[in-house]
Amino acid sequence: DGGITQSPKYLFRKEGQNVTLSCEQNLNHDAMYWYRQDPGQGLRLIYYSQIVNDFQKGDIAEGYSVSREKKESFPLTVTSAQKNPTTFYLCASQSGTGGISGNTIYFGEGSWLTVV
Amino acid sequence: QQQVKQSPQSLIVQKGGISIINCAYENTAFDYFPWYQQFPGKGPALLIAIRPDVSEKKEGRFTISFNKSAKQFSLHIMDSQPGDSATYFCAALSGSNYKLTFGKGTLLTVNP
Repeated sequence: DGGITQSPKYLFRKEGQNVTLSCEQNLNHDAMYWYRQDPGQGLRLIYYSQIVNDFQKGDIAEGYSVSREKKESFPLTVTSAQKNPTTFYLCASQSGTGGISGNTIYFGEGSWLTVV
Repeated sequence: QQQVKQSPQSLIVQKGGISIINCAYENTAFDYFPWYQQFPGKGPALLIAIRPDVSEKKEGRFTISFNKSAKQFSLHIMDSQPGDSATYFCAALSGSNYKLTFGKGTLLTVNP
């Protein structure tokens, strides 16, 4: 099946540990994104990448890092995770070919991270 | 600075009624306006989208109305059903920078 796969679905880490969330897409999309979703805050952009080996900070990049070594993969690392209520992380991709279909951003099913 | 403002924060509608969610934007460079539907524990899914060169787009029970001069757009759900109960996000994109900016979402509850 074509789509975006995020793993793991649920993740628990101790405060201060680094944690990496995986995102793989087989849609042959050029652009990939990471969003964080908190109650009442909507979706906030962490990082995005338009092409391989290039990425830009979003609105809340502090405390996160990414890499884009392959077109289909865009892992997110939470560096020195802070204790917090469970947070929902969403990976997304976009073909970037223009037009309404090219601009459509598709989301994965999300990963829940709890830092204790 | 919130570039896309969405209201209301929550909405309760009776089955068969019309649900209306409004959004306003500030950046005139935005040229693509999608609406996403999200069920609990799932990723958002594209519902319907519009470009500013048209004032209305309809797909089934879902309609986007767009007012370019007022920099506002809205989602209308006709004949609302309990299965429509979800969180709805409006968003805006400028094709030049690939960044999709979201509103804060509206939790819609449709009572049977």
